[in-house]
Amino acid sequence: AQKVTQAQTEISVVEKEDVTLDCVYETRDTTYYLFWYKQPPSGELVFLIRRNSFDEQNEISGRYSWNFQKSTSSFNFTITASQVVDSAVYFCALSEDNYGQNFVFGPGTRLSVLP
Amino acid sequence: KAGVTQTPRYLIKTRGQQVTLSCSPISGHRSVSWYQQTPGQGLQFLFEYFSETQRNKGNFPGRFSGRQFSNSRSEMNVSTLELGDSALYLCASSLLSSGRAGETQYFGPGTRLLVL
Repeated sequence: AQKVTQAQTEISVVEKEDVTLDCVYETRDTTYYLFWYKQPPSGELVFLIRRNSFDEQNEISGRYSWNFQKSTSSFNFTITASQVVDSAVYFCALSEDNYGQNFVFGPGTRLSVLP
Repeated sequence: KAGVTQTPRYLIKTRGQQVTLSCSPISGHRSVSWYQQTPGQGLQFLFEYFSETQRNKGNFPGRFSGRQFSNSRSEMNVSTLELGDSALYLCASSLLSSGRAGETQYFGPGTRLLVL
């Protein structure tokens, strides 16, 4: 069965600090997809990144970077030089390679960036 | 291109009533999924529709149902509302040109339902 764990329930940092959000997943499939979403106070889930299981290259997008390691079943997300606008709940999600869209979400990590 | 839209944004109902929520996907997207978000259970998958057919269903009672129309718009219905149905209901759409899973889902703003 597929499962996503985000062990950090809440994190508080001061603006300009770097912060890493952890995501550990479980799946029996060899083909799967991992996602990160941001949920600001408005409630809408904002897509950040999609990664398939065959692409272990790390990715950087501006202040955001992702570290995918199949050996440890982890897909961690780092925000460099955090800003107050980064304050939100961040969700990691897993989708196995079968017919039908059925994302399994982690419980989320609430990030508070203090000025 | 317009994003996923959901109506209404807020709803207040009483126990025993039924409710219908609507979702319009991004133009051209064929798959619509519904999720329930509560503080206690987090984000849980309800069901997914693709080309007017329900392909996947989460672990929810039969009081939760849905449908998809030929224009890909989807509705979700909850009958005999219970207090525990109070939640944010999120709709997501994806292009799914191949019909398989794993494509990015784009979410709407959600409908916040309060059951009194």
